[in-house]
Parts: sequence; C-alpha cells; structure tokens
Amino acid sequence: EPEVTQTPSHQVTQMGQEVILRCVPISNHLYFYWYRQILGQKVEFLVSFYNNEISEKSEIFDDQFSVERPDGSNFTLKIRSTKLEDSAMYFCASSEQGLLNEKLFFGSGTQLSVL
Amino acid sequence: DQQVKQNSPSLSVQEGRISILNCDYTNSMFDYFLWYKKYPAEGPTFLISISSIKDKNEDGRFTVFLNKSAKHLSLHIVPSQPGDSAVYFCAASGWDTGNQFYFGTGTSLTVIP
Repeated sequence: EPEVTQTPSHQVTQMGQEVILRCVPISNHLYFYWYRQILGQKVEFLVSFYNNEISEKSEIFDDQFSVERPDGSNFTLKIRSTKLEDSAMYFCASSEQGLLNEKLFFGSGTQLSVL
Repeated sequence: DQQVKQNSPSLSVQEGRISILNCDYTNSMFDYFLWYKKYPAEGPTFLISISSIKDKNEDGRFTVFLNKSAKHLSLHIVPSQPGDSAVYFCAASGWDTGNQFYFGTGTSLTVIP
C-alpha cells in the first residue's frame, strides 16, 4: 500500500536554530497537511496545502513556520527559529482530494527535540 | 479549546472480551468522525469512520456508534486481540472546519493475553 514517508525520524536542535522537516506524500494525492503532537497532548492541526498554496492554517502556524513543495514529490515544514515549546512529534499527512469525508494518510512522524 | 475529548487515557481488556473506547465532542457542526490507531514509532492509521447521517458503522471486529444528541461516539472492538494494543484517536471534521480534523488526546488500549 502506498505510504507517506517522513525524514528524519528524530531531529535534535538548539533553541533558535532553523529546522526543516521533510515529507513525501502519496504520489497521486493533492492535499498535504502537517499536524503535531506534544507529548501527552492531542494531535493538533498546523496547516493544509493545496495547489502550491496554503489552504488553511491554525493559530499555531505563526510566522516562524513555513511550508513548501520544492519539487514534485517533497513537502517540507520549516521552523525558522525553534523554541523549546516546538518540541513535539510532527506528522505529515496527505489525502487524495481534500474532501470533508476523506481519510488522511499519515507518515510515521519526526520527533523534534529543541534543547 | 478541546472540541474532541477522550476522557479515558488508558484501558485494559482481556483478550476475547469487548473493548469500548469513548469520545465526546462539543461542536454540533461536526458531521464526519474517524478513528485512528497508532502503534509506537508509527503514524496514525485509519481504522473506521462514520458520517452524521448514520448511527452505526461496522467493519469486521470494529463498530463505531454515533449518538448525535449526546455528541458522543464509541468504538467497539469484539473480540479484542493482543494486536489491538495501541493508542486510539478519535477525530472529527465538519462543514465549518475546512479541511482540518480535530483530534482527541487518545486512549491507550492494552489487550491482555
């Protein structure tokens, strides 16, 4: 079965540094997402992306965050200046058409630790 | 702003018995609900869904029940198997949520052999 792949699986960084989390969505999917889960908390929506544009974003997704689809396969999340509270598991997801009743396919996540 | 709540962080069940995982929501505009299962070091995987026009959806050992008036849904696993041990997330979306899903905090199910 096709799957969403994420790299790296773990990322450790110093506070204030920039990080880029990478994702390869399922090839025929059109909508891409980033979610995150802080340890012990709910999975939270960050951003959705369609047709090379942000479709929606949450309050968490402030100016420190950006997303990009630099080529036909990769989808990246950049955090410009990391903060301690950015430490979380970041999940990339994709869906075929972005419909309301359509399930998401998730990657296995990148555990980001900000020291 | 906890629109989807899973009040039981953990649940232990004997193998062969029924597992019942519960989820409550506050947004009456939610009309699509999903359950995801997550193993350690893996991403959530889709398990089963239900739309608000139904009150029950069944897929093998998994059944989801929706009570719209109570804003409550539950996932029943019968019979429970050790391989079902995982964290289960409830998620919801609706016409006013765009294309984002709201997730609960998850319930960790342990099925004891």
